[in-house]
Amino acid sequence: DTAVSQTPKYLVTQMGNDKSIKCEQNLGHDTMYWYKQDSKKFLKIMFSYNNKELIINETVPNRFSPKSPDKAHLNLHINSLELGDSAVYFCASSQDRGYHGYTFGSGTRLTVV
Amino acid sequence: GDSVTQMEGPVTLSEEAFLTINCTYTATGYPSLFWYVQYPGEGLQLLLKATKADDKGSNKGFEATYRKETTSFHLEKGSVQVSDSAVYFCALIDFNKFYFGSGTKLNVKP
Repeated sequence: DTAVSQTPKYLVTQMGNDKSIKCEQNLGHDTMYWYKQDSKKFLKIMFSYNNKELIINETVPNRFSPKSPDKAHLNLHINSLELGDSAVYFCASSQDRGYHGYTFGSGTRLTVV
Repeated sequence: GDSVTQMEGPVTLSEEAFLTINCTYTATGYPSLFWYVQYPGEGLQLLLKATKADDKGSNKGFEATYRKETTSFHLEKGSVQVSDSAVYFCALIDFNKFYFGSGTKLNVKP
């Protein structure tokens, strides 16, 4: 019954690898997001999709590529992983562009070694 | 541009103490304001919100009032519990963009 679910919860991988994180929401929301949280808990928006259309694309390396096959899914693919990509990545969703708040997934802790 | 500033932590309190976590904001429009809570190892959960000036959001004993004159949205609770230990984020949305504060860690000791 999880509203926003992301997989995997933990991901440990070597530098240079390519990995994907998946996110699905069953709330019927029209907008989905990816956030990166660093070790100091600072949250940074990366991408946002509204009805499968990219609406926010912050300054992130182009090694990061979001894909939204439908409005219930937003996946994040990362190429050529670097040590600095280690963080917790959160998926979120909202209705009406977020004026009533976001619903967050439980996070994916990515560790690049 | 828009921004959210909240007090640095950690804040350490004894159980049943009064809690205030300060939050101030700058915004160009008419933002909605939020407090989110993040328990260890979990995602962020919406704690409370206020959509216009003088609104008071409340949930689980926490309260915050949208003060336009002081551009503030301070979080308060009259009597904290050990289970309230978490990181608290103040946030706003303005012109379809969300802005989070840097988070304040709260430690409540028995």
